[in-house]
Amino acid sequence: DQQVKQNSPSLSVQEGRISILNCDYTNSMFDYFLWYKKYPAEGPTFLISISSIKDKNEDGRFTVFLNKSAKHLSLHIVPSQPGDSAVYFCAASGEDSNYQLIWGAGTKLIIKP
Amino acid sequence: DTGVSQDPRHKITKRGQNVTFRCDPISEHNRLYWYRQTLGQGPEFLTYFQNEAQLEKSRLLSDRFSAERPKGSFSTLEIQRTEQGDSAMYLCASSLISAGYTFGSGTRLTVV
Repeated sequence: DQQVKQNSPSLSVQEGRISILNCDYTNSMFDYFLWYKKYPAEGPTFLISISSIKDKNEDGRFTVFLNKSAKHLSLHIVPSQPGDSAVYFCAASGEDSNYQLIWGAGTKLIIKP
Repeated sequence: DTGVSQDPRHKITKRGQNVTFRCDPISEHNRLYWYRQTLGQGPEFLTYFQNEAQLEKSRLLSDRFSAERPKGSFSTLEIQRTEQGDSAMYLCASSLISAGYTFGSGTRLTVV
């Protein structure tokens, strides 16, 4: 039973364009959501987060949107750069999971020059 | 303190051998987590410590797996009698309670 789902295993985007990565969750008790980026042979690196009291958080080229009614969040990267090519993981947590992260399976983003 | 350190980066072992991995968390972090990641999957939770107490273990953590954090600082993860299915990336992370996680670079285990 996957509580956090990333339905697109991979995504290919032209350099300079917008990359949109999607994530769906099922547990309405989740109140904190994070995006991590992972390069091969490295551990995940924190990218951006959002709490359930907000619907948008922006940090430079990265913006995360949260739609609580749809239990959906998305990560927008604009403009996309070649260094953004990596696997992106969505994760969620809440008090009922003792703040442990529940992870999606990841989306591999490929930025084409 | 430059982050979470894991040692070794890569371990190749023969089936049936025991292996031990080490994790040094960020010094002021009181929580330490172990995860396992296989290709195409998100990290799977194995266990976590708050200070030196091991508070939760996943059902994934069979009797062959044991983790310790004896003084509430570094932690070790031991796998006894390794099997080919144990081949994965083992990730350590640390955090303050309810704050974001910082991950190490992981230890890639290959069982041949």
